[in-house]
Amino acid sequence: EAGVVQSPRYKIIEKKQPVAFWCNPISGHNTLYWYRQNLGQGPELLIRYENEEAVDDSQLPKDRFSAERLKGVDSTLKIQPAELGDSAVYLCASSSGAGQRIDTQYFGPGTRLTVL
Amino acid sequence: GDSVTQMEGPVTLSEEAFLTINCTYTATGYPSLFWYVQYPGEGLQLLLKATKADDKGSNKGFEATYRKETTSFHLEKGSVQVSDSAVYFCALGSASKIIFGSGTRLSIRP
Repeated sequence: EAGVVQSPRYKIIEKKQPVAFWCNPISGHNTLYWYRQNLGQGPELLIRYENEEAVDDSQLPKDRFSAERLKGVDSTLKIQPAELGDSAVYLCASSSGAGQRIDTQYFGPGTRLTVL
Repeated sequence: GDSVTQMEGPVTLSEEAFLTINCTYTATGYPSLFWYVQYPGEGLQLLLKATKADDKGSNKGFEATYRKETTSFHLEKGSVQVSDSAVYFCALGSASKIIFGSGTRLSIRP
């Protein structure tokens, strides 16, 4: 079974430029998560989707971050414009659970973003 | 709010040493508890989990017991190997969210 796929693996951009990350979850997983992991820290949730609906985006900085999950499968996370403080690893995860259940989340390898 | 506090690293041990990585949590209700591991260059993987008090999660020789009275979920392994070198994250799950600790880097010397 293929795991969670993310691309690109690495991205270097200058500040004020836009950037987008793509995630393909495990087949059949209806819940998808985007996390940000700063250096030396644990992942922090940005947004959670159940199918195509964003059910928790309370931690997403909506002035510059946006996300979509059209058709309830692949997802894209975008930053526009990027700031120096956005340098981090952006992780995508998926799970088969929904609602209040806590099912095992499977993580992709992440995209390491460097903003210069 | 809910939070997880884990032992700061880095932790350096010799091969075959006993390992303990401490983890305590603060939560309302009855969370599930997890240990995730991140090997160099790889994504986070679930190592083990426990869903209720006194449950013991185990995998690959690692164990952790859900202790409600001390709000702890310490990770232990009796004899570590070089291949166990990684970053370990304690996490709690509640209301469909997972909250991670800051991670503990473990290095094992041959």
